[in-house]
Amino acid sequence: TQLLEQSPQFLSIQEGENLTVYCNSSSVFSSLQWYRQEPGEGPVLLVTVVTGGEVKKLKRLTFQFGDARKDSSLHITAAQPGDTGLYLCAGYSGGYQKVTFGIGTKLQVIP
Amino acid sequence: DTAVSQTPKYLVTQMGNDKSIKCEQNLGHDTMYWYKQDSKKFLKIMFSYNNKELIINETVPNRFSPKSPDKAHLNLHINSLELGDSAVYFCASSLYRGPGVGNTIYFGEGSWLTVV
Repeated sequence: TQLLEQSPQFLSIQEGENLTVYCNSSSVFSSLQWYRQEPGEGPVLLVTVVTGGEVKKLKRLTFQFGDARKDSSLHITAAQPGDTGLYLCAGYSGGYQKVTFGIGTKLQVIP
Repeated sequence: DTAVSQTPKYLVTQMGNDKSIKCEQNLGHDTMYWYKQDSKKFLKIMFSYNNKELIINETVPNRFSPKSPDKAHLNLHINSLELGDSAVYFCASSLYRGPGVGNTIYFGEGSWLTVV
């Protein structure tokens, strides 16, 4: 069973601070996605990374896929209360592109 | 219009009962999924259908049976409910199978199942 470990699992920071969330595995993934989930709702896709070493930016969010395609990071610059939520990484592999989700990082940004 | 809609949103039922959760997507997607999210927020895929054909069937008790009458619908029927089945069940869909760039997976709002 492929496992994706996310760290930290909980993060509470002040508005304006920077933060990085990590997603690590011993397995290689063909692609990896990041989602954000707010209470009472389903996850919403933020980004898909496919190429090792790839960096994608989404406003204040920067996503990086590791060179070996085993890990990824999400960096948020100048966090805002609207960034509060559960951040999930999901790795895809196999012929049918089976997905493995990380346990999630619960982020709270305090105004 | 809601892209992926599932009903009911909340369901409280007794052990041993049989229940169904319905899901519909109006996006014209070929692929639909059922995911389970437990109390620790761990999200795990259960089933995936592509054009009504089952393509992913993870290790799920056979009390869980998905049914796809057409590619816009994927229902989940659960027999003999157990306490451990309590979780949030998410339906989702994507244009095609596989998570390629541009193939966004859209999730429904979830169905909160509580077995007492």
